[in-house]
Order: sequence, then structure tokens, then C-alpha cells
Amino acid sequence: GAGVSQSPSNKVTEKGKDVELRCDPISGHTALYWYRQSLGQGLEFLIYFQGNSAPDKSGLPSDRFSAERTGGSVSTLTIQRTQQEDSAVYLCASSLAQFRGNTDTQYFGPGTRLTVL
Amino acid sequence: AQRVTQPEKLLSVFKGAPVELKCNYSYSGSPELFWYVQYSRQRLQLLLRHISRESIKGFTADLNKGETSFHLKKPFAQEEDSAMYYCALRGTGGFKTIFGAGTRLFVKA
Repeated sequence: GAGVSQSPSNKVTEKGKDVELRCDPISGHTALYWYRQSLGQGLEFLIYFQGNSAPDKSGLPSDRFSAERTGGSVSTLTIQRTQQEDSAVYLCASSLAQFRGNTDTQYFGPGTRLTVL
Repeated sequence: AQRVTQPEKLLSVFKGAPVELKCNYSYSGSPELFWYVQYSRQRLQLLLRHISRESIKGFTADLNKGETSFHLKKPFAQEEDSAMYYCALRGTGGFKTIFGAGTRLFVKA
């Protein structure tokens, strides 16, 4: 079946502009995660959504970052007034969100490479 | 606070040599530990989880609660094992997952 998809695959923007990154999770997955992958920083947790619960936003680095998930499916990560330090690969993942057991594997998308000039 | 530490950014070994990728964690409770792998030009994917006590592609990892470690081991490294490896922790009560900074494994012929 179709895996997690993300768009765009690459985004180049100018400092100060806003960007939107999109994630389409695997159908039926109730949990959706956003991470930032950068050299030297590894994989940094940003936010996750689970079903209808309030999202865990504890990893968002500043109030310029926000995310929403509409209808329990597609998610958009928005970065306002982008800065050069926002340049990174943004990864999205989804999972069935079952406690314990093999059904909780996170499936990752290909990522969006963001470059802020 | 949850924290995952992978002390080696780069690990280079010869084919056929044993390999150990270190992972230490900080968590006041009983976490779930995972290893994820990203091969060149591929997506990040789950390699193994401690709760399954499995061996995948010859890799094993044992959770040592006393030392708060979850090191990944393989007795005989292969060239196709060259990849980026991430150790990850999920605490109780939710699905937030914290990843380490990653270790790049390079297996030389």
C-alpha cells in the first residue's frame, strides 16, 4: 500500500518568508509525528498528534512553528518568518498508535528538505 | 527529562569485524527502546525494538536498566550495514518518541 508521503520534496525560500510543509500519513494511522533532521542534531522531535487528543507540541523550537492536522489525516507544518537556522530536513511519520506490540512502528516519509537563504 | 545519547557520530569498522553502536538513555520509568536505521537514499525505518527481543539482519540489542543502555551489536559487520543508526526512546503514557543524534556506521571492505 501507499506509504507516508510529504510535499514538497525540496523547498528553497528567502529568510523572513513563511513556508508550509505537508504530510499525508498512511490511511488508518491515528498518530502522526513531525521531526527535524539536521547535521549534528540528529532527529529532533517537534510535535505529535494522536487521534482527537490535543497535540503534544513540546518539541516546537519557537512560536514561529505550528502544525495542524485536519480530519485526523493530512497534517501541515507551518514555519513563519523563516530563519537560516530553520534549514533542515523535516520528516513526518505515522503509526497505528497501539500501546505495546508490533503495531506501533513509526513509518517515515521521504522528508522535505528546507533551505532558507 | 527524556534524553537519548549516542556518543559516537561516526563508527568505522572492517567487514567481518564485530560492531557495537552505543546508546544511553535518561528516563525515570520503564521506557520502550528502539533502533531505527536509514540506508543511503532510503527512508528511516525501524530496525528492532527491545520489547520484541528479536534479531534483525544479525543485529541484537539488550536493554540494560542498571546501566540505562541499549547498545546495538552485530558479531560480523557486512558492507550493506553501512547506514545511519538512531536510538530512540518512548516513555510510558504516550507516544512521544525521542531520538538520539545518530551514529553513522561505515563498514569497509
